[in-house]
Amino acid sequence: DTAVSQTPKYLVTQMGNDKSIKCEQNLGHDTMYWYKQDSKKFLKIMFSYNNKELIINETVPNRFSPKSPDKAHLNLHINSLELGDSAVYFCASSPSRGGTGGYPNNYGYTFGSGTRLTVV
Amino acid sequence: GENVEQHPSTLSVQEGDSAVIKCTYSDSASNYFPWYKQELGKGPQLIIDIRSNVGEKKDQRIAVTLNKTAKHFSLHITETQPEDSAVYFCAASIGDSSYKLIFGSGTRLLVRP
Repeated sequence: DTAVSQTPKYLVTQMGNDKSIKCEQNLGHDTMYWYKQDSKKFLKIMFSYNNKELIINETVPNRFSPKSPDKAHLNLHINSLELGDSAVYFCASSPSRGGTGGYPNNYGYTFGSGTRLTVV
Repeated sequence: GENVEQHPSTLSVQEGDSAVIKCTYSDSASNYFPWYKQELGKGPQLIIDIRSNVGEKKDQRIAVTLNKTAKHFSLHITETQPEDSAVYFCAASIGDSSYKLIFGSGTRLLVRP
């Protein structure tokens, strides 16, 4: 199946621990993203990589570090977890914009199914 | 900063009725406006999108309209069915030079059988 897959689906951990979430896409997309969805369902972008290059880095604590070993993978490592980090984290991917500056036919994001992180 | 406002936050309709969700955006350079449906326990899924050179787009029971002058865009669902129950998000691109989408706060749609 062509998809964006992220693991694990659920992650329960204690404050102060370090954890990683992995994401992989087999859609041939060049751009990948991490979004955080809080308890009120609000979706906020955290990071974006295009062809392994960081292009969006929102105001996110330094404890969050993305890593893109290749354009099909974007992992998220979180150090010293805090209670406020509890949320659902979504990975997404999209095709790059066309070289002429116009959007390709299918610009829309494809999201993974999310990782529910609970810090206790 | 850039902002997308979405209304209403919750919407309850009788099966067969229409549902309309409205969004406004602040960045006049935005030119791409997708809509996503998120079912319980799943990631958001693109259901329809529109670009700034088009005023309306329809796909079966779903339509989106765009008013660039007023910076408004809306999702219209006709003949609603219980399986349309979900959280719907609008989004707008940030200008023409970014990959970034700014999402609205979501609308929880409940279709009563």
